[in-house]
Amino acid sequence: NAGVTQTPKFQVLKTGQSMTLQCAQDMNHEYMSWYRQDPGMGLRLIHYSVGAGITDQGEVPNGYNVSRSTTEDFPLRLLSAAPSQTSVYFCASSKGDRVETQYFGPGTRLLVL
Amino acid sequence: DAKTTQPPSMDCAEGRAANLPCNHSTISGNEYVYWYRQIHSQGPQYIIHGLKNNETNEMASLIITEDRKSSTLILPHATLRDTAVYYCIPSAGGTSYGKLTFGQGTILTVHP
Repeated sequence: NAGVTQTPKFQVLKTGQSMTLQCAQDMNHEYMSWYRQDPGMGLRLIHYSVGAGITDQGEVPNGYNVSRSTTEDFPLRLLSAAPSQTSVYFCASSKGDRVETQYFGPGTRLLVL
Repeated sequence: DAKTTQPPSMDCAEGRAANLPCNHSTISGNEYVYWYRQIHSQGPQYIIHGLKNNETNEMASLIITEDRKSSTLILPHATLRDTAVYYCIPSAGGTSYGKLTFGQGTILTVHP
């Protein structure tokens, strides 16, 4: 199993541009989530999904959209990038009966100029 | 969710046991204690979790006090690759939908 994969690994955007961060898992996990991590800080939950077709907001959802059309994929869309969204983004997945035991991807480093 | 207190940093000699404490005095009865670690520039990695009893797996042991107000993660034979930030995270699951609250954690440095 590849586990949780994320693409791209690194991205530079200009203010106002949009983009999609990709996340995929091959473990048939029901639960998936997106976190962001700013320098010297812990992870903050952006959005999460408990299954295909079901998403909900986390702690810091503003400026981000998600959808979950399949069990495997959970893309994160930045609608209009802002410098405040410069961060490292992590995707995670877990089984529905133990959602706190999460498997994280390697992260996407985003720089917004 | 319960608040946690962890020392900002700790050192450990390679080959020795690393004992990482966590205070979670406000933990509720249905909250498990989860431990994760994050090696530099990588995604967090699940280590172990427990509710009341002590737990052991291939990575570590978890000791939870009888009153559940604190716990200790033990890495029995620390290696240089165990240098990371270690997070103690109480979580009840259920309606929290797996919202792990990562605090500042403890920076563990294992030195030769």
